[in-house]
Amino acid sequence: GQSLEQPSEVTAVEGAIVQINCTYQTSGFYGLSWYQQHDGGAPTFLSYNALDGLEETGRFSSFLSRSDSYGYLLLQELQMKDSASYFCAAPMNTGFQKLVFGTGTRLLVSP
Amino acid sequence: ETGVTQSPTHLIKTRGQQVTLRCSSQSGHNTVSWYQQALGQGPQFIFQYYREEENGRGNFPPRFSGLQFPNYSSELNVNALELDDSALYLCASGSGQNTEAFFGQGTRLTVV
Repeated sequence: GQSLEQPSEVTAVEGAIVQINCTYQTSGFYGLSWYQQHDGGAPTFLSYNALDGLEETGRFSSFLSRSDSYGYLLLQELQMKDSASYFCAAPMNTGFQKLVFGTGTRLLVSP
Repeated sequence: ETGVTQSPTHLIKTRGQQVTLRCSSQSGHNTVSWYQQALGQGPQFIFQYYREEENGRGNFPPRFSGLQFPNYSSELNVNALELDDSALYLCASGSGQNTEAFFGQGTRLTVV
């Protein structure tokens, strides 16, 4: 089986940098994805790490360390619109559409 | 290209009833996955359909069933509804080795 753990809530102010961690235990591991979900909305894809290291996409970066079973999402220059829930997710096998989601982190950005 | 669309957006059913939820995949996608998301939790994988065949199933009982049609749209059927089935049901489409799953807005099901 697979389980992915995240902090339940993180708070930060506009313009700050925040890191959302994800630790995982899996019987097979193919990579780590990150999704953003606003209240009442659909999860939207942010990034995917297949290999160790940092992937940067604009204000968002994602990091993976397979040896530590750990990853994180880094959000820079926070904006109010970044207030949302963030989920790490791991594909169950080489089919990337079958995902095990983490427990989710609610990010609250204040002025 | 159109995105993933789900219908209805909201639904209220009585315990013991049956429900059918619908999903239209994004154009060009041949895989559809369904997820259940309880309030305050992450989505949980129910099952996936690929080329009209079930292609993997999560830890859900047989009263959760599905279909995929030749145009790659899909249905999720839930029989003998229970109060704990109240959740947001999400459909996601994708293709091949694409790492991104494209989600619909979901159907909010309330069982009373």
